Order: sequence, then C-alpha cells, then structure tokens
Amino acid sequence: KQEVTQIPAALSVPEGENLVLNCSFTDSAIYNLQWFRQDPGKGLTSLLLIQSSQREQTSGRLNASLDKSSGRSTLYIAASQPGDSATYLCALNDYKLSFGAGTTVTVRA
Amino acid sequence: DTAVSQTPKYLVTQMGNDKSIKCEQNLGHDTMYWYKQDSKKFLKIMFSYNNKELIINETVPNRFSPKSPDKAHLNLHINSLELGDSAVYFCASSQDLRTNLYGYTFGSGTRLTVV
Repeated sequence: KQEVTQIPAALSVPEGENLVLNCSFTDSAIYNLQWFRQDPGKGLTSLLLIQSSQREQTSGRLNASLDKSSGRSTLYIAASQPGDSATYLCALNDYKLSFGAGTTVTVRA
Repeated sequence: DTAVSQTPKYLVTQMGNDKSIKCEQNLGHDTMYWYKQDSKKFLKIMFSYNNKELIINETVPNRFSPKSPDKAHLNLHINSLELGDSAVYFCASSQDLRTNLYGYTFGSGTRLTVV
C-alpha cells in the first residue's frame, strides 16, 4: 500500500523567500506524480505533473523533482508571494491517486 | 467551460436522509473518481469507474452507491446519512485508468454537512 508523507506540515515564510516542500513515498512503482494546490474551501488545482520516466518539471516559478530510487519528490517555489499561501498536496498515481496530508504554506507580506 | 463540474456545491441534510451528488466531465476522459476529504483535510479515494465499469471500491460502506450512466457522468448516492459522512466529496477524472499522461482533473467539491 502506497504511503505518502509530506514534510513540513506547515510553513510560514516572509515574502520573497524560496519555498521547499518535501514529499516521500514508499512504493516507487508509479505512473506519475502530481502536485496540487488547494486554497481554503476550494478544490484542487494541478500545478505540475511528473511522469515516472522524468526527473523534473518546471512551470514559471515552480519546479518539481522526482527521485524514484529514494522515494522522494520536492516542490520548489521561487521568490514566494502572499498569493502562494495555500495547502500543497503531493499525489502518487499507481492506478489511483494516493495523497499526502499536505503542507500548509503562509507567505507573510 | 468547467472541465469537471459537481452539483450541489453545498449540501446540508439531516441524519437518516438519502442524498445524491452529481458529477460531469467534458474532457472526454475514460475514468472518473470519487474522493473524500475528511475533517483533517486528508484525501482518500472511494471509487473509480472506467468507461462505466466499477474498478475501485475502497472499503466504502454500502450506503454509498456510485452510478455511471455514461463515461462523462459519475453520480454518488448516499443512503441513511450519518454524522460521520460529513466531509467534502471531490469528483475527478483522468484520461485513462493507468498511465494518465495528463494527470487528474478535480471538480470544486461538494461540502456535505449532516446534522
């Protein structure tokens, strides 16, 4: 059974600082890994999708890496802004999505 | 042009009632899912359907019955609602059952409150 852990559970940083969010998983037999953002009371917005054969994906200020051998993925958010405040969820796809508990980020202006 | 739409957005009902949540996707995806987000915000899969066929049933009480009239729709019917059913229910879809080259797309959720 896939177990997904996200550390830290919460993070508060001043505006402009880079964010590093960690995700670890127990079963590397995955098709892909997807990072989502969830704002309070809202749905899930897909940020990045990394296929099993890829090592990283980038979109604007976001960069996600995948290391299946160590069972880890990291989401980097450069030059954080108050609008980046949200909960970030890591999800592994092995015919179903298995989610971590999320990292709640607060960016202080 | 909402890709995955759920109705209703909010649902408040009394214990013992029966209620339904509807989901539709216009992405042409083959696979649809129901996820439950509990009070601790943890998301867990309940069901998945591929081309109208039930694929995953994750030990959900049989009071929950999904129905897929076609591959663009997946509805969730809940009988005899209990307080513990209060949660946010998310519908999602993906291109296919496994490789999902384009990832999953989620609806905006239905907040169910049982009183």
